[in-house]
Amino acid sequence: NAGVTQTPKFQVLKTGQSMTLQCAQDMNHNSMYWYRQDPGMGLRLIYYSASEGTTDKGEVPNGYNVSRLNKREFSLRLESAAPSQTSVYFCASMGQGNPYSNQPQHFGDGTRLSIL
Amino acid sequence: AQRVTQPEKLLSVFKGAPVELKCNYSYSGSPELFWYVQYSRQRLQLLLRHISRESIKGFTADLNKGETSFHLKKPFAQEEDSAMYYCALTDYKLSFGAGTTVTVRA
Repeated sequence: NAGVTQTPKFQVLKTGQSMTLQCAQDMNHNSMYWYRQDPGMGLRLIYYSASEGTTDKGEVPNGYNVSRLNKREFSLRLESAAPSQTSVYFCASMGQGNPYSNQPQHFGDGTRLSIL
Repeated sequence: AQRVTQPEKLLSVFKGAPVELKCNYSYSGSPELFWYVQYSRQRLQLLLRHISRESIKGFTADLNKGETSFHLKKPFAQEEDSAMYYCALTDYKLSFGAGTTVTVRA
């Protein structure tokens, strides 16, 4: 059981380049999330998808787009990368139940993204 | 709006000493609170949740609604407890604190 799988694990981009971070989960979870982790700022939510076919902005959505391709996959796209987007990106998923239930989130290993 | 505050960025203790990581929150409803841990080179994982009232790896956390706190405690720290710890609050999406890096010295 792989849980949450993110690809790639590392990436270096030049300013202005675009790329897509991939995330897949095999736990049949409804909800999926993208976070960025920066020193001294913890994890900040970029976008989330409460269910297949829906996406919503989180705390720091500017400069990003997402696609909930199907129940398993939730991708994050940087259309024109900027140095401020250098960060570690985590994907997470959460199980079913009441939307307000206290199910824990399951995290991927993260993607280290550097933008020069 | 919801907000989680972890006032300590770094915490260093000696092995066998007690350790307490502070977490305060602001939330207009009844909070669901978690502690997550990230060991070196590992993914973020759930440590414990307030509703379970459980002790995991010797850690406990009590929700104090009067003080709006959810501090994480362990009476005798071990070297393997060295990690980054995040307090988090959720309705259906998690809000994380800034994290506390714990170093346990031999």
